[in-house]
Amino acid sequence: EPEVTQTPSHQVTQMGQEVILRCVPISNHLYFYWYRQILGQKVEFLVSFYNNEISEKSEIFDDRFSVERPDGSNFTLKIRSTKLEDSAMYFCASRDRGDTQYFGPGTRLTVL
Amino acid sequence: AQSVTQPDIHITVSEGASLELRCNYSYGATPYLFWYVQSPGQGLQLLLKYFSGDTLVQGIKGFEAEFKRSQSSFNLRKPSVHWSDAAEYFCAVAGGSTLGRLYFGRGTQLTVWP
Repeated sequence: EPEVTQTPSHQVTQMGQEVILRCVPISNHLYFYWYRQILGQKVEFLVSFYNNEISEKSEIFDDRFSVERPDGSNFTLKIRSTKLEDSAMYFCASRDRGDTQYFGPGTRLTVL
Repeated sequence: AQSVTQPDIHITVSEGASLELRCNYSYGATPYLFWYVQSPGQGLQLLLKYFSGDTLVQGIKGFEAEFKRSQSSFNLRKPSVHWSDAAEYFCAVAGGSTLGRLYFGRGTQLTVWP
């Protein structure tokens, strides 16, 4: 069964550094998403991406965040100038023309 | 604004017992509702969804959920819990400009005693 994959499973970085979280959505899916979950809190929407552009973003997704689909298979989330409060589990999801989002296993980001 | 409340942070049940996980939502129009499950080290797996029609929906692994508009609820049930059901369960409602943005509850951690 096709699935969304994410790498790395765990990323540790120093405050102020840049990180790139990678996702491979399900083939043929058209809509792509990033969510995050700070420990003990709700899963929160960050951004949605369709037709090579951002279709919606939340207030969390500030100028330090960016997304890209550099080729036909990868979908990346870049965070510049990381802050302690960026520490969270980041989930990638993808969707076809239906209404169901399929999630990856997540990348745990730790900012020291 | 859309929101989801899962009032139970942690539930413990015995194997074979019935289960009900509560979910209340806030949404102006007819909601698109989802239940996801997350096992340790795994992603969020869809259990079931409600868009319209029959208010009792069946999902995978023997789960079902009932949409009650009058109570703004979408509770998840299972008649007989198995030890492998131990996981965290998330209720979500779709919103945003394209209905692609999911609003999640805090999740309910389910522990199953043998």
